[in-house]
Amino acid sequence: DTEVTQTPKHLVMGMTNKKSLKCEQHMGHRAMYWYKQKAKKPPELMFVYSYEKLSINESVPSRFSPECPNSSLLNLHLHALQPEDSALYLCASSQGRTWTEAFFGQGTRLTVV
Amino acid sequence: DAKTTQPNSMESNEEEPVHLPCNHSTISGTDYIHWYRQLPSQGPEYVIHGLTSNVNNRMASLAIAEDRKSSTLILHRATLRDAAVYYCIREWGGSEKLVFGKGTKLTVNP
Repeated sequence: DTEVTQTPKHLVMGMTNKKSLKCEQHMGHRAMYWYKQKAKKPPELMFVYSYEKLSINESVPSRFSPECPNSSLLNLHLHALQPEDSALYLCASSQGRTWTEAFFGQGTRLTVV
Repeated sequence: DAKTTQPNSMESNEEEPVHLPCNHSTISGTDYIHWYRQLPSQGPEYVIHGLTSNVNNRMASLAIAEDRKSSTLILHRATLRDAAVYYCIREWGGSEKLVFGKGTKLTVNP
């Protein structure tokens, strides 16, 4: 199983809502990542978890809150988002600290209204 | 700052080889070069990576210049399914950061 599964595929939320994005992998990978991608732009790194601990936060606003409950699961909790936060949110995983081969999910298309 | 430079777009014809260049003139000795591609409406997909020597796999070949300041991704026979944005990424000395540059949009003509 070389899949990274992201749910939901699409999400529409209001600016006062609280929602969560979920990412799951069963490859035994110990590093997991959140990226944000706006239309026609490259993915931008948001967070990195290594061995279930947050190791990199790329100065992401606190309205985005990551969580890694176990080595297979990564969540991104969303609260009080702005319309400009609308984007494709990608999750990825890799074996560990070195990027040999990272696997990406298909992403969650988020629209904030 | 991705610190890699790629052409914005390239075109190829089906079944012809494609050479996608990448400049990484400030690369240090321990930085790997990775290539990923992103097909429309999909997440990025690993293509190949290397450090100093040329590398081959079932998808592509990676030719790294002797001074390591540039590299070229080679698709030996382009197909319509290879139409994608190709990202050349410099891994920063074993760090956990994989920072995407702007990428090259490859169009494959039938």
